[in-house]
Amino acid sequence: GAVVSQHPSWVICKSGTSVKIECRSLDFQATTMFWYRQFPKQSLMLMATSNEGSKATYEQGVEKDKFLINHASLTLSTLTVTSAHPEDSSFYICSFLEGGLAGAGLETQYFGPGTRLLVL
Amino acid sequence: AQSVTQLDSHVSVSEGTPVLLRCNYSSSYSPSLFWYVQHPNKGLQLLLKYTSAATLVKGINGFEAEFKKSETSFHLTKPSAHMSDAAEYFCVVSVLNDMRFGAGTRLTVKP
Repeated sequence: GAVVSQHPSWVICKSGTSVKIECRSLDFQATTMFWYRQFPKQSLMLMATSNEGSKATYEQGVEKDKFLINHASLTLSTLTVTSAHPEDSSFYICSFLEGGLAGAGLETQYFGPGTRLLVL
Repeated sequence: AQSVTQLDSHVSVSEGTPVLLRCNYSSSYSPSLFWYVQHPNKGLQLLLKYTSAATLVKGINGFEAEFKKSETSFHLTKPSAHMSDAAEYFCVVSVLNDMRFGAGTRLTVKP
């Protein structure tokens, strides 16, 4: 299957600093991608959907000024957690949507391995 | 909006016995349904997906799932569990690229 990478896989930072997470699709191009957040022993929570070249659409309750998403190209997206605080500590997962007409049911999401963020 | 309920948060089976992970969904439109597996410290891996074709879907590693519209279910099964199947499994419903994840079922496989 398609390969998606995330960098870094692990990051520890002090409260108040900003952290950038990169998500790349290595062997395909995708217009649409997603960012998720996963708390320990819980399911994935969709944070935002972004299309290349457009502003991201954020889910209710997700602060767009805190979680900046830049979908720079068909193979690269970044999530920046600005002024991180301990409550932002979580596992962040990206995914790219590959193949088929949007909504036709033929597309598949390919997920990155995740980035674990710990804010002290 | 669509939603999905995984009926068991934890399932424990012995190696070589059948696996059943239950999933019910709710959707106003014809959904696509997926099962993903997440091994510790690894990314999500697609096991199988249903996209309005055959109702019995075969996936990787011997898993399969049956879409039952009348029961709004998409249960995941495997005839014989292997130790390597121990992981977290997520049932996912998608409508127009809006994916919603279930809470997950942790599968434990005993020797």
